[in-house]
Amino acid sequence: ETGVTQTPRHLVMGMTNKKSLKCEQHLGHNAMYWYKQSAKKPLELMFVYSLEERVENNSVPSRFSPECPNSSHLFLHLHTLQPEDSALYLCASSQETRNIQYFGAGTRLSVL
Amino acid sequence: AQSVTQLGSHVSVSEGALVLLRCNYSSSVPPYLFWYVQYPNQGLQLLLKYTSAATLVKGINGFEAEFKKSETSFHLTKPSAHMSDAAEYFCAVRSNFGNEKLTFGTGTRLTIIP
Repeated sequence: ETGVTQTPRHLVMGMTNKKSLKCEQHLGHNAMYWYKQSAKKPLELMFVYSLEERVENNSVPSRFSPECPNSSHLFLHLHTLQPEDSALYLCASSQETRNIQYFGAGTRLSVL
Repeated sequence: AQSVTQLGSHVSVSEGALVLLRCNYSSSVPPYLFWYVQYPNQGLQLLLKYTSAATLVKGINGFEAEFKKSETSFHLTKPSAHMSDAAEYFCAVRSNFGNEKLTFGTGTRLTIIP
């Protein structure tokens, strides 16, 4: 496998469910990111991890909980989401936070 | 502070015609500028980047962009559109020191008319 892989590609969940999004990068990078992409809005940076430490948290509600167990894996744990959280969630990685980011194909999340 | 404005959320061009997607930036420090493309059901892919070297930057798939400091612009062009260019295009800005956060525009959806 190459690049940045996100699973699942599609997820439908109720507001009371708990689910997790997974991201895996095969590029040897040391920084990983979660973005939210909603229709007609710019990409919103949610979280940044560098060397497995969270270095940025952009006022994201606590119902989103990131986890970075190692430099190759990034999770986004979801619980008690709202319908307005429905969006495409993109993961990216880079070698150092100053370098080019490479994106996964995203997880399309629908909250009912 | 930094921001990006992409004029035109939708652009349609005929196959073989010139593609021009506009991007204007605002940055209090010298910027790095990027164009990303997103094909349906895929993530973002880097097309090209400006990092303070040559002002005319060539990218993949025949695209290029010119950094014009006086106009604070970084418009994306391609001389002849191909059907496979249909996608959404995002301009992004990042400072070349200090805050390294990427700030994206709202995107421009490019449609190619056969």
